[in-house]
Amino acid sequence: DGGITQSPKYLFRKEGQNVTLSCEQNLNHDAMYWYRQDPGQGLRLIYYSQIVNDFQKGDIAEGYSVSREKKESFPLTVTSAQKNPTAFYLCASSIARGLSSYNEQFFGPGTRLTVL
Amino acid sequence: SQKIEQNSEALNIQEGKTATLTCNYTNYSPAYLQWYRQDPGRGPVFLLLIRENEKEKRKERLKVTFDTTLKQSLFHITASQPADSATYLCALFPQGNTPLVFGKGTRLSVIA
Repeated sequence: DGGITQSPKYLFRKEGQNVTLSCEQNLNHDAMYWYRQDPGQGLRLIYYSQIVNDFQKGDIAEGYSVSREKKESFPLTVTSAQKNPTAFYLCASSIARGLSSYNEQFFGPGTRLTVL
Repeated sequence: SQKIEQNSEALNIQEGKTATLTCNYTNYSPAYLQWYRQDPGRGPVFLLLIRENEKEKRKERLKVTFDTTLKQSLFHITASQPADSATYLCALFPQGNTPLVFGKGTRLSVIA
């Protein structure tokens, strides 16, 4: 099966702890993205990567970090500096931008993070 | 400032009717616009893409229009069914090498 997996589906952490969310894709996509979704806020872009070993900040990168050491993996770390980390986190991938019409994003099932 | 606005947070319609959802944008000149469906607790799923030189796109009971003069896209679901109940997101590609930008979505409820 081709697709994107995120784990775990639910995650609980104590305030002040860093936590890493996993995202893996086997679609051979170059680009990967992390979004945060809060009620009434829509999808807000945290970080994105268009190629291995390179990534860019999105609109709300403060308090988050990422790495892109392999094409299929794009983990997100929510650090203790993130003031309000409780949210639904979505990972997505797409064929690198610039290629005709196949720029749709494929989303994972999401991770719901709750910080206690 | 740049904005994408979807007409309402929630829309309720009767089964069998046509649902029309609106996406307006300000200070963007997108080459493409996309629509996604999101069910509660799940990731969005791509539905349709429309290019700036296309006026209309259809897929089964779905129809999307794109008016670059009005800076608006309309998303229609004809003969709506309770299974169409979901949140629908519009998204656009700004000019240049920048990622997709999403609207906040409209939650559609189709009542039997």
